[in-house]
This record gives sequence, structure tokens and C-alpha cells, in this order.
Amino acid sequence: DAGVIQSPRHEVTEMGQEVTLRCKPISGHDYLFWYRQTMMRGLELLIYFNNNVPIDDSGMPEDRFSAKMPNASFSTLKIQPSEPRDSAVYFCASSPGQSISGANVLTFGAGSRLTVL
Amino acid sequence: EDKVVQSPLSLVVHEGDTVTLNCSYEVTNFRSLLWYKQEKKAPTFLFMLTSSGIEKKSGRLSSILDKKELFSILNITATQTGDSAVYLCAVVPMNTGFQKLVFGTGTRLLVSP
Repeated sequence: DAGVIQSPRHEVTEMGQEVTLRCKPISGHDYLFWYRQTMMRGLELLIYFNNNVPIDDSGMPEDRFSAKMPNASFSTLKIQPSEPRDSAVYFCASSPGQSISGANVLTFGAGSRLTVL
Repeated sequence: EDKVVQSPLSLVVHEGDTVTLNCSYEVTNFRSLLWYKQEKKAPTFLFMLTSSGIEKKSGRLSSILDKKELFSILNITATQTGDSAVYLCAVVPMNTGFQKLVFGTGTRLLVSP
């Protein structure tokens, strides 16, 4: 299994530009998560999907952020327009669902490092 | 608001030392606590703890949970340079569904040769 695959690994863009981050979860995993990591705030959950349906997007910072999951093997996180404060590492993670102990163990992708100038 | 606090923020030790990393939490309806190790890229799973007082162990790493005092510790014995990483603690609040992990900001460990 190739694990969770994210692209691009690095993105440098100018303020106001549209940014699209992509994620391919592990095959067979029903849950997909988008996290953002910064030094100040650590890892924050932005949104998660179950069987391609968005379940909780309460962590999405504002309307400039949107996420889609058109099928079980692909998701996107879009920022339009981007701002310097969006600079962070964005992680995608997937999980198979509820484990015996009642909690998910997430497998993370390598992350997309976004820099907005 | 659910909260996870890790200490220390960073730590430098010599190879062979033993370290203890701390994680305290405030969460409504606690379900479980997870430890992750993050090197240069993705966080990788170490342990999940759900019951108080039961130690989880994997090689030189071990962890224990105290649900009464609301904290967990991660111990690393005979540290090696490969243990250098950020160690993340996360809790799963039951009332938000099993999927939402609340992470601390991590402890950055540097093991010098």
C-alpha cells in the first residue's frame, strides 16, 4: 500500500491566488481528514468526510476554504483567494473507521507545505 | 473548549538518557488518548490509551494514562538519535464522534550523539 498520497509537496504562491491541494486516501478507508499545522496552533482539524460525504467542517477557517471528495479515492482542499496567514503545512489523513476500542487511528500523508507571499 | 497541553515544549538530551514527555488534557467525555511521532513529514501512530493505569509498551517506548488526574506520559529509555522528533499527543472527545482528534502542539525532542 502506498499510503496516503498528497500533492503538491510544496507550493509557493502570491496573495490572492487560488491554491488547490490534493489527496488520495488509502484504499478501503472510509474516513478522510484535512488538518492544518502551524507552529503556533499545532495540528487543527479543518474538515472530515465519511464515505465521501462531509461530516464536520466546523474547523474550516472561513469561506475562502472549501473541500470536496468527488469519489472514494480523491479529495481536494481549495483556498481562494489565498492570504499570507494561510501559510502552513496541510495534512490529509485517512482511517478505516471505528476500531474495537472506539477510536480511529489515522494514517497521515506527507503533507503539503504552503507558502503565501 | 477541549484542550491538550504538552510539556516541555522542547527538550535536548544525550544519547542513552531517559526522557519523560507529558500530556495533560481537558475534554468533555473523554474517550481515548493517542501518541504520535512526527519526524520530518507525517505523524506516525505510536500508542492509543483508553484505560487508566495500564501501560502500553513498544520497545524502548512506553506510555501510561491517568484518567483521574487527566494526563498521560510517554517514556523513552536509552534514547537514540533516531528518537529525535516532535511527539504529539491527541485526545478523542466522545461527544464529538470518534473521529475528531484534538492535538497538543507537541514536544520537540532532540537527542544528541
